[in-house]
Amino acid sequence: NAGVTQTPKFRILKIGQSMTLQCAQDMNHNYMYWYRQDPGMGLKLIYYSVGAGITDKGEVPNGYNVSRSTTEDFPLRLELAAPSQTSVYFCASSYMTSTDTQYFGPGTRLTVL
Amino acid sequence: GESVGLHLPTLSVQEGDNSIINCAYSNSASDYFIWYKQESGKGPQFIIDIRSNMDKRQGQRVTVLLNKTVKHLSLQIAATQPGDSAVYFCAENHFFGNEKLTFGTGTRLTIIP
Repeated sequence: NAGVTQTPKFRILKIGQSMTLQCAQDMNHNYMYWYRQDPGMGLKLIYYSVGAGITDKGEVPNGYNVSRSTTEDFPLRLELAAPSQTSVYFCASSYMTSTDTQYFGPGTRLTVL
Repeated sequence: GESVGLHLPTLSVQEGDNSIINCAYSNSASDYFIWYKQESGKGPQFIIDIRSNMDKRQGQRVTVLLNKTVKHLSLQIAATQPGDSAVYFCAENHFFGNEKLTFGTGTRLTIIP
């Protein structure tokens, strides 16, 4: 199993541009999550999904959108990039609930200039 | 508001010694706690977890202690090795309609050869 994969690894955006961060898992996990990690800080939950077709907001959802059309994929969309969205983004998945072990992807480092 | 915090942002330990990383939480309703290890440039990796009905749990070279009276947990790493150098996060979970983990800021552990 590849586990949780994320693309791209790095990206630089200009203010106002949009992009989609890709996340996929091959472990047949029901739960998937998007976190952002600012320098020297812990992870903050952006959005999560408990299964295909179901998504919900986390702590910091403003400026982001998600969709979950399949069990495997959970893309994160930034519509109008702002410097405040400069961060490292991690996708994670767990089998049934957030109390099951969460497996993290390698992260996407995004810079908005 | 609820928070998960750490007493020390950095910790340096001699190789072979034991290390103790501390974490305080503020929500007495939290019932599940996890320690994650994050190496440079990688996503967090699960180390060990503990539920609120326990006060101690042991893994391979790691022990987590939970003191619900003072809302404190710690991660003990025995016989530290260079590969233990990383940032360690504690996280808590409590269910109030949405399931999510709340992460602390992290402690950077450096093993001195």
